[in-house]
Amino acid sequence: NAGVTQTPKFQVLKTGQSMTLQCAQDMNHEYMSWYRQDPGMGLRLIHYSVGAGITDQGEVPNGYNVSRSTTEDFPLRLLSAAPSQTSVYFCASSSGQRSGNTIYFGEGSWLTVV
Amino acid sequence: AQSVTQPDIHITVSEGASLELRCNYSYGATPYLFWYVQSPGQGLQLLLKYFSGDTLVQGIKGFEAEFKRSQSSFNLRKPSVHWSDAAEYFCAVGPTGFQKLVFGTGTRLLVSP
Repeated sequence: NAGVTQTPKFQVLKTGQSMTLQCAQDMNHEYMSWYRQDPGMGLRLIHYSVGAGITDQGEVPNGYNVSRSTTEDFPLRLLSAAPSQTSVYFCASSSGQRSGNTIYFGEGSWLTVV
Repeated sequence: AQSVTQPDIHITVSEGASLELRCNYSYGATPYLFWYVQSPGQGLQLLLKYFSGDTLVQGIKGFEAEFKRSQSSFNLRKPSVHWSDAAEYFCAVGPTGFQKLVFGTGTRLLVSP
């Protein structure tokens, strides 16, 4: 089982460049989300999706775009990278809102913007 | 607004000693509470979760946590720490929509020989 797969694992960008962090899950989960992790701040929600074609903003959405064209994929786009977006990014998925559902996290993508 | 406080940034425990990591939350309704562990360079692994029922929750790797509504706390405990438990631990609270977790800032556990 692959679970939640994130690519790339490491990336260095120059300020102003654009890129897409890929996230794919093979568990047929409805719910997917993106978090960023910064030292001393824990994880913060960027965007989330409750199903194909449906996305919404989280706590820190500025500078990021998402789309959900398929159940499996939930890419995160940085349109014009800024040094403040240097962070570790985690994608997560779960099968729904029921209390027994577990959230599965990917292994993270380390992004440095110089 | 919901929030989670983990007051200890770092904790050092001797191998074999007991462990308690503190977590306090602020949430307007019945909270859904979680503890995650993150090893260096890795993603997050769920240790345990609380939704309702018995306030003492058992998790993986010998961890347990107790929900105390009166204290708004969900502290994580382990009777005997192993060197492999050295990691960062995150407490999180969420509504019924599980994609909207709010995380604490984490506690880094160091285990001394």
